[in-house]
Parts: sequence; structure tokens; C-alpha cells
Amino acid sequence: DADVTQTPRNRITKTGKRIMLECSQTKGHDRMYWYRQDPGLGLRLIYYSFDVKDINKGEISDGYSVSRQAQAKFSLSLESAIPNQTALYFCASQGSSYNEQFFGPGTRLTVL
Amino acid sequence: QKEVEQNSGPLSVPEGAIASLNCTYSDRGSQSFFWYRQYSGKSPELIMSIYSNGDKEDGRFTAQLNKASQYVSLLIRDSQPSDSATYLCAPYSGNTPLVFGKGTRLSVIA
Repeated sequence: DADVTQTPRNRITKTGKRIMLECSQTKGHDRMYWYRQDPGLGLRLIYYSFDVKDINKGEISDGYSVSRQAQAKFSLSLESAIPNQTALYFCASQGSSYNEQFFGPGTRLTVL
Repeated sequence: QKEVEQNSGPLSVPEGAIASLNCTYSDRGSQSFFWYRQYSGKSPELIMSIYSNGDKEDGRFTAQLNKASQYVSLLIRDSQPSDSATYLCAPYSGNTPLVFGKGTRLSVIA
């Protein structure tokens, strides 16, 4: 089984809809991250959490919110989706004692 | 603002040749350095990490680090078509998120 899982893997929705992307990890890591990737723009950090009680904005947090429900779970919400939020979204986890980030398989989101 | 610069490419090399990927970074506090490989539409996968100045070899991959010059590179020997991907450089300074470069796209021509 994958260490970092994301659901759904693909989602098509309409402008104005509320969307939640979920991420779970079985690595026992404290730190979790949400990124979006657009062609030519690389990975951009949306939100990150260093532990259950810690939530931090990244460089492009506007229009997004997150919830850290447990050490293993970190959800990303789009309260009112807009077409320019169409992108590939990645969740990642990182242990406090280890530096590497491990990525989930990604969610391809299309907002019509 | 922490910056990571990589040549976007594409870098084209013939099969069997050495591919050289370069990265410069602005944060002098960076202590760890990671290279990720990303195939189109897939998630980044860690292929190398380096923590000390000098070279680190792992199979066909060699990472080189020069902290004084704020420069890290990745060499891929005997390049294969399956190495065709985007390579992301990510310096890490501790209690802040990894900062990723935009990546260099490598194309290995058979």
C-alpha cells in the first residue's frame, strides 16, 4: 500500500462548488503539505502543517483552506471553486527527524 | 525570499551520455539538498539527497554540492530514455518547508 494517499485522483467540478481533497499518510510523519502544480510554474506551496495544532499559509493560500484532522490526515478545501484553480494537486508528508518529503500520487482537478 | 534557480531546459542528451543538471540557491542556511525526478503527470520521487560538500554517488547518479558557491548538481551517467523526466532541486534549511526549483526537463534521445 502507498504511504501517502490522496482522494479523489481525478475530479471535475463546476465554478462555485465546494470541493474537498483528502490526504492520508501511514508514515507517522508530523509534517504535511499541500502543493499545486501548473505547467511551467513548478510546485507552489498552498498550506503546510508541522503538527496537528499547527497550520501555516504558503505562497498561494488565497481561495483555499485546510484541516488537520489527525496526525495522519490533512484535507484541502476550495470553498468556491474557480476555473483558474484547475491544476494538479499534491499532498506530501515529512518526518520531523527526516528531511525528505514523500509525495502522494496527486489529484487532477478541473473546474469548469 | 528563498530562491532556487534551475535551467528549465529541455536538456537533450544522447543515450549513453552523461547528463548534467545544475541548481543554484539563495538561502545560505540550507543544510540538506534533494533531487526529485518527476515524470509527466506523476508525483515527484526522491532520487538523491546530499548533506555535505563534495560528491555523493548512488548507482548512475552523482550529486555534487558546493555550499560556498551555493551550487548543487546532479550527474546522470549512461543516460537512458527512461531517465527522460523533469528533475527538481530542493534545498532545505530546517524548520521551513522545502523550496523547490521549477525543474529541468531532461530528454534522452535513443
